[in-house]
Amino acid sequence: GQQVMQIPQYQHVQEGEDFTTYCNSSTTLSNIQWYKQRPGGHPVFLIQLVKSGEVKKQKRLTFQFGEAKKNSSLHITATQTTDVGTYFCAGEKNDYKLSFGAGTTVTVRA
Amino acid sequence: NAGVMQNPRHLVRRRGQEARLRCSPMKGHSHVYWYRQLPEEGLKFMVYLQKENIIDESGMPKERFSAEFPKEGPSILRIQQVVRGDSAAYFCASSPLDSPSYEQYFGPGTRLTVT
Repeated sequence: GQQVMQIPQYQHVQEGEDFTTYCNSSTTLSNIQWYKQRPGGHPVFLIQLVKSGEVKKQKRLTFQFGEAKKNSSLHITATQTTDVGTYFCAGEKNDYKLSFGAGTTVTVRA
Repeated sequence: NAGVMQNPRHLVRRRGQEARLRCSPMKGHSHVYWYRQLPEEGLKFMVYLQKENIIDESGMPKERFSAEFPKEGPSILRIQQVVRGDSAAYFCASSPLDSPSYEQYFGPGTRLTVT
């Protein structure tokens, strides 16, 4: 079955620093989605990438979809305490199912 | 437009009892998905339903678990004879009718604890 791997599992960041989380799929994806889950909360949709090589930005967040549509990354610049949470990538392979990565849990040192 | 509703938010059951989890999708959404999340883990797909139809239940255990999405009323995830290993957060998500590739909107989840 489709496997989506996400690294790192944990990211401890100094406030103001940048970091990147990576997502890799064992199979080619039709699209990839990113979600954020705050502690004790539920996943909230951030963005969807569909095209090969696509790059999308949301303020300090930059999302990228690989050329082969098998990997993706989320880069956050100038980390703030509001960025705390777990970031999940989720890949879809034209079968209506999202396969979620295990997530990157981000903590921020003020 | 109300978001995805789930109830109860917290549910405690003794081993052997039944758990019923309810999910009302967003208005206009006809696709419902159930996921299970264990502590510090990602979400595991369980089942995908449309009104009155189970489209894909490949992620749901064959025994004790069942799901439905009737023509009227919420979607129900039913766990019979619960065991401690069923303790988890169960999230429901919905997406619109026209394209299943739209983002999924998640409910607040039901935290099930089996004692």
